[in-house]
Amino acid sequence: QTVVTQEPSLTVSPGGTVTLTCASSTGAVTSGYYPNWLQQKLGQAPRALIYSASKRHSWTPARFSGSLLGGKAALTLSGVQPEDEAEYYCLLYDGTSWVFGGGTKLTVL
Amino acid sequence: EVQLVESGGALVQPGRSLRLSCAASGFTFDDNSMHWVRQAPGKGLEWVSRISWNGGNIAYADSVKGRFTISRDNAKNSLYLQMNSLRAEDTAFYYCAKDVSLGLGIDYWGQGTLVTVSS
Repeated sequence: QTVVTQEPSLTVSPGGTVTLTCASSTGAVTSGYYPNWLQQKLGQAPRALIYSASKRHSWTPARFSGSLLGGKAALTLSGVQPEDEAEYYCLLYDGTSWVFGGGTKLTVL
Repeated sequence: EVQLVESGGALVQPGRSLRLSCAASGFTFDDNSMHWVRQAPGKGLEWVSRISWNGGNIAYADSVKGRFTISRDNAKNSLYLQMNSLRAEDTAFYYCAKDVSLGLGIDYWGQGTLVTVSS
């Protein structure tokens, strides 16, 4: 089964910019993997941020943007806020099933 | 407002069965595929299963294939997960989630129900 890899942890300063990435063991991540990004804060259910690589949901702040970058899916946070501290998961479709990455713990410090 | 409310979580012994339910409201249920996703305490998310709008297309994670069965009742706006031959490693919060239109991912999530498999 496909293995999806994310950075285990990243740290960013308030107001800064950070990019999280998502790689697939099967090769380059393309739009056909329909990359999704989700945010999960401690003790809460996940919340969807991005689907189909770059589409924001209606509730997703504009500072979150998704893209395909160097064979990976990427989530860029610009103008990071303290409330953005959370775990971020990517989700890829491998043709038959969906697979989550291991998550990136984002610390805002 | 979209709402997904899971129920049926419990403490069960290894080898036993359990059925989870998810009551959906606030959207046209039979227009959308639905997912089950789980999360072991303190661990990451694991996709479990997906069912198409009419139940005609179903997929499972390898870890549950042959033991879990996803189903839906569009007349009742409900999603189900029948879990058989439960193992300790199935212990997790189980989330019901709505598919984004055209199968592009997941948008709405329930709050989860806890399944604990232990003797």
